[in-house]
Amino acid sequence: DQQVKQNSPSLSVQEGRISILNCDYTNSMFDYFLWYKKYPAEGPTFLISISSIKDKNEDGRFTVFLNKSAKHLSLHIVPSQPGDSAVYFCAARISNFGNEKLTFGTGTRLTIIP
Amino acid sequence: NAGVTQTPKFRILKIGQSMTLQCAQDMNHNYMYWYRQDPGMGLKLIYYSVGAGITDKGEVPNGYNVSRSTTEDFPLRLELAAPSQTSVYFCASSYASRETQYFGPGTRLLVL
Repeated sequence: DQQVKQNSPSLSVQEGRISILNCDYTNSMFDYFLWYKKYPAEGPTFLISISSIKDKNEDGRFTVFLNKSAKHLSLHIVPSQPGDSAVYFCAARISNFGNEKLTFGTGTRLTIIP
Repeated sequence: NAGVTQTPKFRILKIGQSMTLQCAQDMNHNYMYWYRQDPGMGLKLIYYSVGAGITDKGEVPNGYNVSRSTTEDFPLRLELAAPSQTSVYFCASSYASRETQYFGPGTRLLVL
């Protein structure tokens, strides 16, 4: 039962263009969402997050949008750079007073074409 | 400041063997986690710990054991390795459960 889904295993985008990575979830109890970035042979690193009380959060070139009614979030990267080539994981959690655990999606491999 | 370190980086085990995956963090984090990532899948939580002496099961704990005798270390023990345990194992830590999790570089395990 995959509660967090990333339906696109891979995505290729031209350098300088916008990259849009999508994530869907099924559990309406999730109230906090995160994106992690992973390079080969390294562990995931935190990129950006959003609380369910917001619909947008921006950090430099990275913006995350949340559509709660559709149970959908997306990560926008503008402009895309070669260093953005990585696997991106969407994750979600439920606030539970010290017992929060992350549920991860399957990841999307982003390739930026120079 | 090394962050989260994991050893070994890669290991081949025969079916039925046992081994311990080591994880250490130097950030004085209370929470530590073990995940596994299978090809084409997301990270699945195996075990976690909220502090020294306290551990709890995650989503996929069968075939594994953990201990947390110190704040810094959180080893993962595999008893009677099985091919289904072939995976990449990541250790992570965070100051609190709502704080950012920091991941180690992973241990790639192959069980033949």
